[in-house]
Amino acid sequence: GQQLNQSPQSMFIQEGEDVSMNCTSSSIFNTWLWYKQDPGEGPVLLIALYKAGELTSNGRLTAQFGITRKDSFLNISASIPSDVGIYFCAGQSQPGTASKLTFGTGTRLQVTL
Amino acid sequence: DTGVSQDPRHKITKRGQNVTFRCDPISEHNRLYWYRQTLGQGPEFLTYFQNEAQLEKSRLLSDRFSAERPKGSFSTLEIQRTEQGDSAMYLCASNRLGSPTGGNYGYTFGSGTRLTVV
Repeated sequence: GQQLNQSPQSMFIQEGEDVSMNCTSSSIFNTWLWYKQDPGEGPVLLIALYKAGELTSNGRLTAQFGITRKDSFLNISASIPSDVGIYFCAGQSQPGTASKLTFGTGTRLQVTL
Repeated sequence: DTGVSQDPRHKITKRGQNVTFRCDPISEHNRLYWYRQTLGQGPEFLTYFQNEAQLEKSRLLSDRFSAERPKGSFSTLEIQRTEQGDSAMYLCASNRLGSPTGGNYGYTFGSGTRLTVV
């Protein structure tokens, strides 16, 4: 099945550093979502974006819905050890209704002290 | 409500055996989804139900796979004649039709069932 392109694939950073990751698609989405997944668990929603150009924050996390509707970005400021995990973007193409999600390939984040 | 519940958490089976997984969604959610996640990949959509009706099936869902949601509450996913390529995490998610994806009734995933076919 289709998977969105996420970069970087993985990153090692030091505690306190800021992190940026992005997600691109060949097709347009009407909703972009960012999830975090810990080992052996299901994805947990971090941020949802509903409008092109929208910038939304959730604590130290900030995400943007790209103007072209084909990309999205996630920033984590002042990273802490519990930020370790895999971050997935997901796009939803049907507006206003709850339909299937297309996920990215994931960015694995490791934070060192 | 404690969220989306999946059972079992882990399943090891021999190739050729049949397996069945169960998903209990959040009670107010009328849509239920199944996804498959292989190692190093993001989840991939398999199928979804609105109440008891199965509305969409992915091409990933071969004829060895069948999903049901007989009373519009819990759902089961059965894999017949398992193959090693079926080894994956099977995730269930639920939400309520018409609600924002990220809202209070938004997409919520269970912890998954990890299947290992030996």
